[in-house]
Formats: sequence, structure tokens, C-alpha cells
Amino acid sequence: NAGVTQTPKFRILKIGQSMTLQCTQDMNHNYMYWYRQDPGMGLKLIYYSVGAGITDKGEVPNGYNVSRSTTEDFPLRLELAAPSQTSVYFCASSYSGTAPPLFGSGTQLSVL
Amino acid sequence: AQKITQTQPGMFVQEKEAVTLDCTYDTSDPSYGLFWYKQPSSGEMIFLIYQGSYDQQNATEGRYSLNFQKARKSANLVISASQLGDSAMYFCAMREGLGSWGKLQFGAGTQVVVTP
Repeated sequence: NAGVTQTPKFRILKIGQSMTLQCTQDMNHNYMYWYRQDPGMGLKLIYYSVGAGITDKGEVPNGYNVSRSTTEDFPLRLELAAPSQTSVYFCASSYSGTAPPLFGSGTQLSVL
Repeated sequence: AQKITQTQPGMFVQEKEAVTLDCTYDTSDPSYGLFWYKQPSSGEMIFLIYQGSYDQQNATEGRYSLNFQKARKSANLVISASQLGDSAMYFCAMREGLGSWGKLQFGAGTQVVVTP
């Protein structure tokens, strides 16, 4: 089992560029999440999904969009990248709303 | 308001000693869950241990145990017999309410350095 896979691992963007962070899981989990971790801080929730076709905002959704067309995939879209979006992005999934989420290895994003 | 508070930004512990990492939480919901994750220098988030608000006994997983004091709203992580590989950032997190859909709120973390 691969678990939760995130690509790319590292990316540098210029201000105003757009990109999509990919996340896929092979555990048939319905629940998926995107968090960001700023330096020296805990994680903050960007968006989450409780199943294919269902997404909702978390604590810090501004500047991001998501989609969930399949159970496996939960891509995060950054439109018009800003320096404030420099962070490490984690995707996670769980099989229920009470189970501990399992995390991917993260994407280090720098916006310059 | 901060929901999860970890007051120890960093601590040193000697190999083979036990270490306690503090975590206090704030919620008025009777149903919640508390989690601890480990983040080594490589960056991944590793789930360690879980305690549900209705669990009668403190959770244990190998060398990890959770000292759950509900009235004090604390959920401290105890690592027994520390090893060099325990050097990492440790995060306490809370799932608040049955309708939370598994969303977690994280503390700022505690950096642990294990010395020989």
C-alpha cells in the first residue's frame, strides 16, 4: 500500500502563477483533508472532503480551490500565488470522521 | 481563541529517560478526540496515539501513553525510555464534536531533542 501520495515534493512559484498540488490515496478513504504548515507553527486546515463530489472550506481557504471527482484524488489548486502561500502543504485521509487521519509526506512550496 | 495549547516550545531529554509533553485543550463539546503526532526532521506527520473523550482508560501504544485529565482539560503525552530516534517535533491535536468530519485543530508543537 502506498498510502497518501503527494506530488510534487518541492516547488518554487513566481508571484501570480498558478499550480495544482496533487494528492491521491489508495486506501478507499472517504475523508480527505488539506492542511498547511507555516514555519514553526502547527497545521491549519484549508479544505476537506467527506466523499467524492463533496468539499467544504476549512480555517484558511482563501486563495485555494479543491475538487473531488473520485474517491482517490483530492487536488488543491492555487490561483494567483502570493508570498503568504509559502508553506508546507499536507494532504491527509481517514476512513471515518473519528479515525486518525494519515498524512502524506508533504509539499514544500515557495512563492517568490 | 486557541483551542490547543502546547506551552513547551522545546525540551531536552536524556536517552532512556521518560519525558512528558504538555497539552491543554478548550472545548465545550462533550464528544471530542485528542491526537498526538510526531514530525521528525524529514517532515512527515506520524500518528502516535488517540484518546476519545468518553474513553475510561488512558490510551497507551508501546512506549507512548496519554495522561488524560478530563476535568483539567489536559492530554499530556508521556514517552518512556527515550531513544535518539524520538528527537522530533510533537503536535497535539483535537477533533471537536461528532459533526467535525474528522477535522483536526493543532497546537504549535513541542520540539524534543534526545541526548546520549
